[in-house]
Amino acid sequence: GAVVSQHPSWVICKSGTSVKIECRSLDFQATTMFWYRQFPKQSLMLMATSNEGSKATYEQGVEKDKFLINHASLTLSTLTVTSAHPEDSSFYICSATGGTSGYNEQFFGPGTRLTVL
Amino acid sequence: GEDVEQSLFLSVREGDSSVINCTYTDSSSTYLYWYKQEPGAGLQLLTYIFSNMDMKQDQRLTVLLNKKDKHLSLRIADTQTGDSAIYFCAEAYSGGGADGLTFGKGTHLIIQP
Repeated sequence: GAVVSQHPSWVICKSGTSVKIECRSLDFQATTMFWYRQFPKQSLMLMATSNEGSKATYEQGVEKDKFLINHASLTLSTLTVTSAHPEDSSFYICSATGGTSGYNEQFFGPGTRLTVL
Repeated sequence: GEDVEQSLFLSVREGDSSVINCTYTDSSSTYLYWYKQEPGAGLQLLTYIFSNMDMKQDQRLTVLLNKKDKHLSLRIADTQTGDSAIYFCAEAYSGGGADGLTFGKGTHLIIQP
């Protein structure tokens, strides 16, 4: 299957700083990328849907000014957690798909563990 | 409440069949998925079923869908130690191309020797 990478795989930062997480589709063009968050022993929760060249669509309850998403190319989307606080500590997972019609599998990245001190 | 529910743990003996159950609430769900998550790895799609199907089989995996009861199950035949992982049930309105997925909390499959 197609490969999606995330960088970094883990990051520790101080409260108040901003952290950028990258999601790349390595061998296909991703017209749509999704960002999920997973808390311990919880399910993955969709945060936002990002289409290349468009503004991201955020799920209810997700602050768009706190979680900045950029999808400037067909192979790269970034999630920036601005002014991070300890409650933002979580596992962030992206997925990518190459189409918007019919059945198109979502390919998931390995996730990024964010710890805010 | 949860849109997709699963039990958190399942323990089976090696060689037995594992049956992981899932219930969902959104009757407009069109695609239902089973994903596998191993430590340090991304989610791996095991199989999916379209809502107009009752059953789908792929080698050791059998998916049963009861749309009336909104119940989905994954049967793994001849369970092996390599099957030890967290299994997520997920649903989507469309085929994943345009919609994000709604996941259950995941079922930890524990294999006893």
